[in-house]
Parts: sequence; structure tokens; C-alpha cells
Amino acid sequence: EDQVTQSPEALRLQEGESSSLNCSYTVSGLRGLFWYRQDPGKGPEFLFTLYSAGEEKEKERLKATLTKKESFLHITAPKPEDSATYLCAVEGAGGYQKVTFGTGTKLQVIP
Amino acid sequence: DTAVSQTPKYLVTQMGNDKSIKCEQNLGHDTMYWYKQDSKKFLKIMFSYNNKELIINETVPNRFSPKSPDKAHLNLHINSLELGDSAVYFCASSQALQGDYEQYFGPGTRLTVT
Repeated sequence: EDQVTQSPEALRLQEGESSSLNCSYTVSGLRGLFWYRQDPGKGPEFLFTLYSAGEEKEKERLKATLTKKESFLHITAPKPEDSATYLCAVEGAGGYQKVTFGTGTKLQVIP
Repeated sequence: DTAVSQTPKYLVTQMGNDKSIKCEQNLGHDTMYWYKQDSKKFLKIMFSYNNKELIINETVPNRFSPKSPDKAHLNLHINSLELGDSAVYFCASSQALQGDYEQYFGPGTRLTVT
């Protein structure tokens, strides 16, 4: 069974203080690893898809990287509006869009 | 022009009742899903439909029955509600079943069973 573990559970940063969120996964044949952002009271919002080890993607202050066992979401010089829960998910070779989510990292950026 | 919409946003009901949650997407997507997010924020897939056909049916009590009248709608009917059904239910859609398309989520329906 596919598994996703995210760490830390919660992270508190000062504005401008860069850091990384970790997503460790076990999956039988990775088809894709997804990062989503979830604001309180809202549905997850898609950020990135990574397909193979060594791949990187960037969007504003966020950069996602992928190895064979984990993915990192690097946040450079975060702002208070980056505060949210960040969810990692994987789709394995079983396909059919059966996506397994982690429990997320709750990020709080303090002004 | 909301992409994925759900109604109602909040649902409070008593044990034993039957309730439905409606979902509509206007993205022209072929695939739709229902997820359950528990109090620990764990998001778990329940069902997926592709072109009105059931594709994924995870280990979910048969009190839960999805219905897809057309490609743009996927409703969730729950019979004989139990306290453990309290959670936030999210509908989502994606462009297609095959491939690694991102999913677009609705705003969620917070179900509270008393």
C-alpha cells in the first residue's frame, strides 16, 4: 500500500526565514508526486506535479524537488500569506488516479 | 464561475438520518472524486468516477452511495448517518483518468452528526 509521511507536522517561521518541508513516500512505481496547499476552510489547491527523481519545479517563493524516496518543498523568504497547510500526495503504478495523501505540514509565517 | 462547487457547505444532522451532498464541476473534466478529511486533516479517497462510470470504490461502508447523473455532477448520498461520519467531504475533478493530471477540489462540506 502506498504511504506518504510529511514532516514536520507544524512549522512556525519568521517572515523572510527560509525553510523546507519534507515528504517521504513509499509507492510501487511512482507515476506522480503532487504538492497542494490548503487554506483553513477551503479545499486543497494544486501547486506542483513531479514525475521523476531529480526533477525540480518553482512557483514564486516555492520550489519542489524529488528524489527516489522523498520530496522537499523549499520556501524562500516566506511571507505571511504563505501560511497554510501543505499536502503531499503520490499516485502509484496502480494508476486510475488513486492518490494517497499525507497529513500535511501546517506552516505559519509570522510578520 | 466556480470551478468545482459543493452544496451544502455545512450540514448538521442527527444519527440515523439520510442526507445528500451535491457536487458540480464546470471544467469539462471527465473524472470526479469524493474524499473524506477527518479531524486530523487526513484526506482519503472514497470514490472516483470517469465519464459517469465508477472506477475506484475504496473500503467505504455501503451506506455511502455515489451517483453521477452526468459527467459534470457527482452526488454523495449517505444513509443511516453515524457519529463517525462527521468529517469534511471534498469533491474533486481532474481532466482524465489516465495520466497524472492535477485535481481541482471543491470548498468542502462539513458534516456534523449529533
